[in-house]
Amino acid sequence: DQQVKQNSPSLSVQEGRISILNCDYTNSMFDYFLWYKKYPAEGPTFLISISSIKDKNEDGRFTVFLNKSAKHLSLHIVPSQPGDSAVYFCAASVGSGKSTFGDGTTLTVKP
Amino acid sequence: ETGVTQSPTHLIKTRGQQVTLRCSSQSGHNTVSWYQQALGQGPQFIFQYYREEENGRGNFPPRFSGLQFPNYSSELNVNALELDDSALYLCASSLGGTSGRNEQFFGPGTRLTVL
Repeated sequence: DQQVKQNSPSLSVQEGRISILNCDYTNSMFDYFLWYKKYPAEGPTFLISISSIKDKNEDGRFTVFLNKSAKHLSLHIVPSQPGDSAVYFCAASVGSGKSTFGDGTTLTVKP
Repeated sequence: ETGVTQSPTHLIKTRGQQVTLRCSSQSGHNTVSWYQQALGQGPQFIFQYYREEENGRGNFPPRFSGLQFPNYSSELNVNALELDDSALYLCASSLGGTSGRNEQFFGPGTRLTVL
């Protein structure tokens, strides 16, 4: 039973447009959510997080939205840049315990 | 501030052998987690160590074991290797404890191939 799901294996957008990556979870105990970015031959890099007491968190071009009732979170990248092309993982945890990851979405930003 | 390092980068073993992977955590971090990532999948949690004690374990058999040392570096040991153990093994360090935050800083991983 996969508790964190990223239903889109891939996403392609034009440079300058918005990228929206989605993630669904099933475990209502999760109270901390994170997005990581992964380039080939590197480990995942932390991007942005949100706790369950908030519904939005912004950091520059990156915004994460959390809809607790729908058990859904999304990552918005505006504007998208070619350097954003990578695999994006969402993850969820209960406090500082183990993180449960989705299978990732490969984002391609075309110049 | 040094990041998370892992050794070796690549490793080839045969079925039935044993392997030890090593990880140095980021300066100031007292928690280390190990993940297994198969091709096309997200990282799967193996276990976590907090101040030298195991602090949670995923759905992996006992032949996966670990250690955390006083300097918070860590080892992952896998006995009786099976073909399905072939994967990228990721180590991540974090503040852990009661910080309430779980941003993890990953190393580049060790690519293990079991023949």
